[in-house]
Amino acid sequence: DTGVSQDPRHKITKRGQNVTFRCDPISEHNRLYWYRQTLGQGPEFLTYFQNEAQLEKSRLLSDRFSAERPKGSFSTLEIQRTEQGDSAMYLCASSLAGAGGPENEQFFGPGTRLTVL
Amino acid sequence: AQTVTQSQPEMSVQEAETVTLSCTYDTSENNYYLFWYKQPPSRQMILVIRQEAYKQQNATENRFSVNFQKAAKSFSLKISDSQLGDTAMYFCAFNAGNQFYFGTGTSLTVIP
Repeated sequence: DTGVSQDPRHKITKRGQNVTFRCDPISEHNRLYWYRQTLGQGPEFLTYFQNEAQLEKSRLLSDRFSAERPKGSFSTLEIQRTEQGDSAMYLCASSLAGAGGPENEQFFGPGTRLTVL
Repeated sequence: AQTVTQSQPEMSVQEAETVTLSCTYDTSENNYYLFWYKQPPSRQMILVIRQEAYKQQNATENRFSVNFQKAAKSFSLKISDSQLGDTAMYFCAFNAGNQFYFGTGTSLTVIP
């Protein structure tokens, strides 16, 4: 399968616990995005990587959230001290864009659904 | 700040008929991109169609076409010959720079 994959697909945790999600983009894609989607809403941008560099972070991304893309391949999103308001679907997307070129199609993963009890 | 508004939370259409989904956006940017994404029930989001703001010609992809009105900041999606597989959430999205902004979505149901 050459699509974007995310692991786990579902995560249930207790408030205060830490969780980590993984995203494996399409192998040749240099851009990787994280989004959060709550019920009845569209995806909300969280952060963006160009290769291994984190170039943009939304103000939605509090200090409890951290994302990495250590070798410009897979990425992890960690949430520390989870709160009930963190319950959502976390989506990852990747794209291939040349320097200075137009934004290309984003390919989305299936998402990780987080439930904080 | 960029915003994307989809004013139709739910819509339905008879199979083989045509339906138009509305989207408006607000931006001060001159160069940007607009997208329609489809999210079928319990499935991944996929791109339906894309429009570059500098192109006056409306984009088309088979049964899907857009009506892009730059001055009015309007970007509607027309689905012709609707099929049962078109049943999904449809999201309008805006991109300028490194961020994407999505609307709240329109749930489309195609009725057999």
